[in-house]
Amino acid sequence: GAVVSQHPSRVICKSGTSVKIECRSLDFQATTMFWYRQFPKQSLMLMATSNEGSKATYEQGVEKDKFLINHASLTLSTLTVTSAHPEDSSFYICSATGRTDTQYFGPGTRLTVL
Amino acid sequence: KNQVEQSPQSLIILEGKNCTLQCNYTVSPFSNLRWYKQDTGRGPVSLTIMTFSENTKSNGRYTATLDADTKQSSLHITASQLSDSASYICVVVPYGNKLVFGAGTILRVKS
Repeated sequence: GAVVSQHPSRVICKSGTSVKIECRSLDFQATTMFWYRQFPKQSLMLMATSNEGSKATYEQGVEKDKFLINHASLTLSTLTVTSAHPEDSSFYICSATGRTDTQYFGPGTRLTVL
Repeated sequence: KNQVEQSPQSLIILEGKNCTLQCNYTVSPFSNLRWYKQDTGRGPVSLTIMTFSENTKSNGRYTATLDADTKQSSLHITASQLSDSASYICVVVPYGNKLVFGAGTILRVKS
């Protein structure tokens, strides 16, 4: 149980375009979802926390207008990278919690901005 | 400041050998400590979860230990396999707060 999926797994886009990444909890209702970014050989860095139906809480230094997060249902959260630039290229991972505080991680999305 | 330090940064071992990865933390108090395995290009997968009152937890060939007095945890892998090659991340969970991640240990198992 407790499966979290992400789509797409890989995306390549041109600089200036926007990219949407989906995170779904497949077999449980996720009251809270988290978005992380991971650069090569570094650990996960929390970007934002979102609760279903409310605005996301962003970590210090993360631009909320650039990384738009929508948690419209108990099974789906989306992260939109707006006007992407090469420095936004990274591995984006979501996680979700249900009744307990255990976070279940998705498989990640590799974003490459040309 | 809540911190989690892992050592070594990277490790190469021969298939079939055992190894131990270390995790030192300053997070206090905490709810639980977790070890995750992250394959390249994949999300982390939970290996063990220990509450602050537990000393050891096993999951197949993986055994985690926790010493709350010295604030140290270790992950022991026995009879390593090529598929064990991955990054192993120690994560400490403070009460009602964000996860504190270690930088991970990159393990490479050679044949």
